Amino acid sequence: EPEVTQTPSHQVTQMGQEVILRCVPISNHLYFYWYRQILGQKVEFLVSFYNNEISEKSEIFDDQFSVERPDGSNFTLKIRSTKLEDSAMYFCASTKNRQETQYFGPGTRLLVL
Amino acid sequence: GENVEQHPSTLSVQEGDSAVIKCTYSDSASNYFPWYKQELGKRPQLIIDIRSNVGEKKDQRIAVTLNKTAKHFSLHITETQPEDSAVYFCAASGTYKYIFGTGTRLKVLA
Repeated sequence: EPEVTQTPSHQVTQMGQEVILRCVPISNHLYFYWYRQILGQKVEFLVSFYNNEISEKSEIFDDQFSVERPDGSNFTLKIRSTKLEDSAMYFCASTKNRQETQYFGPGTRLLVL
Repeated sequence: GENVEQHPSTLSVQEGDSAVIKCTYSDSASNYFPWYKQELGKRPQLIIDIRSNVGEKKDQRIAVTLNKTAKHFSLHITETQPEDSAVYFCAASGTYKYIFGTGTRLKVLA
């Protein structure tokens, strides 16, 4: 069964550095999402992406964040200048149609020191 | 703003007993309600979902009920087993995003 994949599984970075988190959605899916989960807390929506543009974003997704689909398979989340409070697990998800089940990747655990 | 409340935050049951987790959503435009199970350090995995045109859905030991008028939906697990121990999240969706509840840590005692 196809799955969403994410790399790296863990990333440690210094405050102020840029990070890029990578996701490969399921191949025939058209809608892509990023969520984050701070340790011990709920999963929070960051952004949704369809047809090469952002379709919705949350208050968390400020100017420090950007998303891109640089080719036909990858979907990336960039954090330009990381802050301590960006430390979290970041999940990518994808779905074939809007309002269908979103399938989650295994996550990237980001630690900002 | 949009919010999903989930109760209880922790739940311990004896193996074989039933477990019920309840969620309440605020956005009346929500029309899709998935439930995810998350084991420690793993991705959320869908276990069951329900759409707003249906009041109840069952899949073996798992069932979900939806009361649109009250904006409540619940997860029912019968004949619980130790492997059901995990964190369970409800979510509500009306557009692109999911709004997740705060999670319920279910512990099934053998």
